[in-house]
Amino acid sequence: SQTIHQWPATLVQPVGSPLSLECTVEGTSNPNLYWYRQAAGRGLQLLFYSVGIGQISSEVPQNLSASRPQDRQFILSSKKLLLSDSGFYLCAWSSGQGTNEQFFGPGTRLTVL
Amino acid sequence: GENVEQHPSTLSVQEGDSAVIKCTYSDSASNYFPWYKQELGKRPQLIIDIRSNVGEKKDQRIAVTLNKTAKHFSLHITETQPEDSAVYFCAATRGGSQGNLIFGKGTKLSVKP
Repeated sequence: SQTIHQWPATLVQPVGSPLSLECTVEGTSNPNLYWYRQAAGRGLQLLFYSVGIGQISSEVPQNLSASRPQDRQFILSSKKLLLSDSGFYLCAWSSGQGTNEQFFGPGTRLTVL
Repeated sequence: GENVEQHPSTLSVQEGDSAVIKCTYSDSASNYFPWYKQELGKRPQLIIDIRSNVGEKKDQRIAVTLNKTAKHFSLHITETQPEDSAVYFCAATRGGSQGNLIFGKGTKLSVKP
């Protein structure tokens, strides 16, 4: 069966520091991968998605970037964090084989101070 | 751009009553409509979904209805239980973009014992 991992689970970072969040998927090949951000008490905002290695699409202009160095690895990064980057970051995958079901990872709660 | 509106934002019901959450979408090409349940601090979990070639789908106490003409779909929970308390999100696919979902802002459901 497929599983999705994210780490770290929680992170507290100072303003201006770099960020690297990692997401990996097991049990499937060539998945579509997604990064979402959820602000406290708010909905899900799609940040990036990827349909293959090295292929990244950005949904909103922002302080963040994404990379997909391997088929089942998706990384969210920032060179300098802002206070507004705080939130719950969720990685998700879908099979990309004509189905749309998306399955979420456990999330990373980021607090920027 | 494409949009998904979700109502109500909060809903409080007595245990055993029914709960209904409604969503409307703007993209007539949308063809897949999932519902997610998110408990506090946890990841969103897919609870039911419906495709555009079906008008209704039921799974035990949960049902979803779709009206393509009116571009709206609804989640129905019968015989609610305290463990149904959570935030529920609807979503719709962005037409022509496989797998990408546009989410509603969520409904916080509280079931009072």
